[in-house]
Amino acid sequence: GQQVMQIPQYQHVQEGEDFTTYCNSSTTLSNIQWYKQRPGGHPVFLIQLVKSGEVKKQKRLTFQFGEAKKNSSLHITATQTTDVGTYFCAGRDSGYSTLTFGKGTMLLVSP
Amino acid sequence: NAGVTQTPKFQVLKTGQSMTLQCAQDMNHNSMYWYRQDPGMGLRLIYYSASEGTTDKGEVPNGYNVSRLNKREFSLRLESAAPSQTSVYFCASNLHQEDGYTFGSGTRLTVV
Repeated sequence: GQQVMQIPQYQHVQEGEDFTTYCNSSTTLSNIQWYKQRPGGHPVFLIQLVKSGEVKKQKRLTFQFGEAKKNSSLHITATQTTDVGTYFCAGRDSGYSTLTFGKGTMLLVSP
Repeated sequence: NAGVTQTPKFQVLKTGQSMTLQCAQDMNHNSMYWYRQDPGMGLRLIYYSASEGTTDKGEVPNGYNVSRLNKREFSLRLESAAPSQTSVYFCASNLHQEDGYTFGSGTRLTVV
């Protein structure tokens, strides 16, 4: 079945440093979504990417979808303590109707 | 606008007991989902309902049953709880299957 891998599992940065998490799928995806989960909270939808090579920005967050639609990345510029949480990617295989989540990258930001 | 409401928020069960986790959404969404989240395992799909009147198995359906009671409500039942079902359970919904999910705040279940 479809597998979605995320790296790194964990990253600890100083406030102001940049952060990137990568997502790789074993199959070509029809679209990919990104979620953020604060400690003790629930996942919150951030964005969806659909087109090959697509790049979207939300303030300090930049999301990319690979040309082959098998990988994606989330880059945070100049992290803040409010960025703390776990970031999940979730891919939808062309042949399936549900999302497969990666295991997430936990981000810790020290002031 | 409440979004997705899950009850209860916390529950402790003894092995072999049964219980039903409730989920309701007030966004007129068509599709609803049940996920479990375990440390280091991410979110795994248990069951989903693409539309009212339909349910389908996800990645980890064993030991669970679901009911799509109406368009708003989607319940998850554990008939005979096992310690391996200790987890955080999230309900989610979306208007169309290709949309982003709105998650509930979760039910933290411990089976002893």
